[in-house]
Amino acid sequence: EILITQAPVTLSVSPGESATLSCRANQSLRSRLAWYQQKPGQAPRLLIYAASTRATDIPARFSGSGSGTEFTLTISSLQSEDFAIYYCQYYSDWPPSFTFGPGTKVDI
Amino acid sequence: QVELVESGGGVVQPGRSLRLSCVASGFSFSSYGMNWVRQAPGKGLEWLAVISFDGRDKFYADSVKGRFVISRDKSKDTLFLQMNSLRSDDTAVYYCARTAVVSATALPFDSWGQGTLVAVSS
Repeated sequence: EILITQAPVTLSVSPGESATLSCRANQSLRSRLAWYQQKPGQAPRLLIYAASTRATDIPARFSGSGSGTEFTLTISSLQSEDFAIYYCQYYSDWPPSFTFGPGTKVDI
Repeated sequence: QVELVESGGGVVQPGRSLRLSCVASGFSFSSYGMNWVRQAPGKGLEWLAVISFDGRDKFYADSVKGRFVISRDKSKDTLFLQMNSLRSDDTAVYYCARTAVVSATALPFDSWGQGTLVAVSS
């Protein structure tokens, strides 16, 4: 069974600073990892897939890295609209299944 | 413009059934795999089920296997989730979500609906 953890649970930062979020798994995910952003009362939004590829219309200040069991989402120069919860997600090849991490809340 | 609109949520008693719908527009619905994901109040995201673009392949999370059924109607551009034997821990916002690539099934989700709330309570 794939188990995913995210750290920290909450990250307090100031606008203009950078934020580094961690996602770890108990076995190799290769590069089959995505990151989502969710704001209160809204649906999640895909930010990153294949560990490091930005989704359509995602600003360059969002970047992903890592492979295997350790992954990082970096948000450089945080803007007010970036304060949200961030989830990582493993997507298996076949049969398809999807496992979300517990999330990291980025707040002021 | 891609749009997914869920409906069918509401208050339901434990043990009863409910069917959710998700109407798609702005893209070729029959070309994309589709998913259901839920989020319990104040909790994280939980993937429930995926259906392939042609409806032939369906896969479920263990937590709902045997109780929930995913299906699609290409003539109506609509995705469904039939939920049976509902329990209090099924209370959540239910989202439909599109797989990011044409014909893909096992890839992340690039478009989401706004969600529909299901509350299981006596």
